[in-house]
Amino acid sequence: QKEVEQNSGPLSVPEGAIASLNCTYSDRGSQSFFWYRQYSGKSPELIMFIYSNGDKEDGRFTAQLNKASQYVSLLIRDSQPSDSATYLCAVKGTTDSWGKLQFGAGTQVVVTP
Amino acid sequence: NAGVTQTPKFRILKIGQSMTLQCTQDMNHNYMYWYRQDPGMGLKLIYYSVGAGITDKGEVPNGYNVSRSTTEDFPLRLELAAPSQTSVYFCASSTDNQPQHFGDGTRLSIL
Repeated sequence: QKEVEQNSGPLSVPEGAIASLNCTYSDRGSQSFFWYRQYSGKSPELIMFIYSNGDKEDGRFTAQLNKASQYVSLLIRDSQPSDSATYLCAVKGTTDSWGKLQFGAGTQVVVTP
Repeated sequence: NAGVTQTPKFRILKIGQSMTLQCTQDMNHNYMYWYRQDPGMGLKLIYYSVGAGITDKGEVPNGYNVSRSTTEDFPLRLELAAPSQTSVYFCASSTDNQPQHFGDGTRLSIL
């Protein structure tokens, strides 16, 4: 069983719509959750992190965390073609010391004009 | 701020050759990591380090070696390169409970 799971996509989203990405994790004691964006041929860049249950908003991005259900999601509002990328979910589990993260395989998002 | 710097950006090796991928960070981060990413796949941890002189294996360490003599530098050594090591290699750094920051990557082809 993979520790961090994401739908690989591609998730096709019309320009201006909301993109909804989901991530589930197996370690119930996980405390820290991160979303990275990776453009094709580029390195991952951090866009959001969340530590507490509930929603966290940053511009057009909202991260949602539900520890009881063991999922974290990312919403992208008013999607733009520049949002077309692969989004990686990363989780720090209870056995992950020294800043180690478990990464999902990523969800590819394609925003269509 | 330079952040995490990786060199070289591209390299082609012949089977059996060896090389060192360089990684330097200027953020005074304790923790450093090496990942590989195969086409269409996620990140796989090769090695990590919690500080100068301390390193440990990740999930795919075979065929690689690392050292950490300073806080800033964390080179990755490939001995006896094999086609299976063709990949994109990312170095990252962080402090505890903080996000990892990635370098731009090294694209390595072994022919």
